[in-house]
Amino acid sequence: SQQGEEDPQALSIQEGENATMNCSYKTSINNLQWYRQNSGRGLVHLILIRSNEREKHSGRLRVTLDTSKKSSSLLITASRAADTASYFCATEPINTGTASKLTFGTGTRLQVTL
Amino acid sequence: GAVVSQHPSRVICKSGTSVKIECRSLDFQATTMFWYRQFPKQSLMLMATSNEGSKATYEQGVEKDKFLINHASLTLSTLTVTSAHPEDSSFYICSAESSYNSPLHFGNGTRLTVT
Repeated sequence: SQQGEEDPQALSIQEGENATMNCSYKTSINNLQWYRQNSGRGLVHLILIRSNEREKHSGRLRVTLDTSKKSSSLLITASRAADTASYFCATEPINTGTASKLTFGTGTRLQVTL
Repeated sequence: GAVVSQHPSRVICKSGTSVKIECRSLDFQATTMFWYRQFPKQSLMLMATSNEGSKATYEQGVEKDKFLINHASLTLSTLTVTSAHPEDSSFYICSAESSYNSPLHFGNGTRLTVT
């Protein structure tokens, strides 16, 4: 399977704490993306980092990418109860043609409690 | 922002019947749409890539005669689960690409229950 692995599978933290999720993948990539999924809903795109980038920020999100280790991390700072969701990394391998054929990781279920 | 509408959100059907799920891009044209299947607490598994005006490309292990995909226009793709069985019960999600190399926009998914 080419599916990426994420860890931890589940993470429970208190509001205000930081949450870090890690993603490892297997193939060379064009970019890596992080998505969020609320229970029973579709996915929402959070951030995209290209293979030639090492770090990217968006609001309370910080993403790193290490292509030599084929790994990425997503940091959510000052977490809120509304951040409770599942988070997936997704990779776009090189040479996929004209369509963004993404491979999704196994996901991290984040629970933020008050 | 780009919106993808997926309908229905929930459907319950009897074994042996067929179910059609629609995926529409509301404010952009999508030459490519993707269909996924997701089991509880698991990741998304790509089923097929739907290309406007041509046949869908199915992933290995996905029965094309079982999961019929039609992408008749730049804003609509449909997935029909034919002769549904209880093992087809799952969460089906579509996504659309507004332009090459841009993030995907996802529908809210369809919860299919086959009794």
